[in-house]
Amino acid sequence: GAVVSQHPSWVICKSGTSVKIECRSLDFQATTMFWYRQFPKQSLMLMATSNEGSKATYEQGVEKDKFLINHASLTLSTLTVTSAHPEDSSFYICSARLGNTIYFGEGSWLTVV
Amino acid sequence: AQSVTQLGSHVSVSEGALVLLRCNYSSSVPPYLFWYVQYPNQGLQLLLKYTTGATLVKGINGFEAEFKKSETSFHLTKPSAHMSDAAEYFCAVSDWVEGAQKLVFGQGTRLTINP
Repeated sequence: GAVVSQHPSWVICKSGTSVKIECRSLDFQATTMFWYRQFPKQSLMLMATSNEGSKATYEQGVEKDKFLINHASLTLSTLTVTSAHPEDSSFYICSARLGNTIYFGEGSWLTVV
Repeated sequence: AQSVTQLGSHVSVSEGALVLLRCNYSSSVPPYLFWYVQYPNQGLQLLLKYTTGATLVKGINGFEAEFKKSETSFHLTKPSAHMSDAAEYFCAVSDWVEGAQKLVFGQGTRLTINP
């Protein structure tokens, strides 16, 4: 199957700083990528849809200015959590669409201290 | 809008026993259906999918699922559970919103395997 890679897998940052998470499709080009957030023992919550060459589409209730998404190329989307706070600590997962199937990255644990 | 219901947030079976994880969906259009598995602290791995064609779909690790339109179900089964099957399983249906495909997930089912 197709491979989607996230980096970093784990990141700790101080409150008030910004942190960037990368999502790469390694063996295919993805015009559409998705960012999810997952709280412990819960399902995935779609945050936004990232479209190559255009602005991301955010789900209702997701702060655009806080979660900056950039899809600069057909193989890379980035999520930047700006002015991070402890409540932003979570597991963030990206995915990319290939045909009619969506493949997921390994996820990134963010801890804000 | 599409939705997915997974019956049972936690399923426990003995090693070697049949695994059955239930998934029902609602969809106004012919659905694309997926099962994903998530191991602790990891992302999601695609187990299998149904788009069109044969309603019995075989996936990785010995899992299979059957699309039953009349029952709006897509239950996941495996004849004989292994300890390594212990994980969280998510059923998902494709939803098309403004021309974009998104996945709608069920709540997840945690599968525990007893030795």
